[in-house]
Amino acid sequence: QLVESGGGLVQPGGSLRLACVGSGFTFSSRWMHWVRHTPGKGLVWVARSESDGSGATYAESVKGRFTISRDNAKNTVYLQMNSLTDEDTAVYYCARGLPRDYYMDVWGKGTTVTVSS
Amino acid sequence: DIQMTQSPSSLSASVGDSVTITCRASQRISTYLNWYQKKPGEAPKLLIYASSILQSGVPSRFSGSGSGTAFTLTISGLRPEDFATYYCQQTYVTPPITFGQGTRVEIK
Repeated sequence: QLVESGGGLVQPGGSLRLACVGSGFTFSSRWMHWVRHTPGKGLVWVARSESDGSGATYAESVKGRFTISRDNAKNTVYLQMNSLTDEDTAVYYCARGLPRDYYMDVWGKGTTVTVSS
Repeated sequence: DIQMTQSPSSLSASVGDSVTITCRASQRISTYLNWYQKKPGEAPKLLIYASSILQSGVPSRFSGSGSGTAFTLTISGLRPEDFATYYCQQTYVTPPITFGQGTRVEIK
């Protein structure tokens, strides 16, 4: 199971930190992803963290503004989002992957981020 | 980046119909192609991975095929709970992982 938190309303240029807690599996052995969804663009992959936190990769649209990290002792993956724009408004999902890019088999229910003044 | 293009963007069908959704990749991706179902207000759900392997617990009316650049998702005998948006995803060349734009399956 994955449970996201941390979404909310933030002004343009602001910051937000999302968290996703995993349970029921060996969190430290899985790559974790953040994916966002909007009605207009559908599902868009945002970022990925490898099992030990190394090898973080990002979509071009968020590179330099978002940072993915994890605390395996807390079974938690984070997404620090800075310099937010209205284009970042979306429902953000965390998803479990394999220890390589293959598929995402477990998804959280999502947390909503709204960027608006 | 590999672009994924789905067709149609939307379709209308009746309960019991069979429908096929196509996904095309801008370059060859072997069978690194997955399908997800997304309903409003719900998390995406993995249906099929590696082009044709049914995820555990997914009904057998869902099937996938293809390799290279052309893939299909078929739903044989639509049920009311199948009306949703379907997305393909490639994981062959990453980053980035890319999704298709989605195909909305609506009730006729």
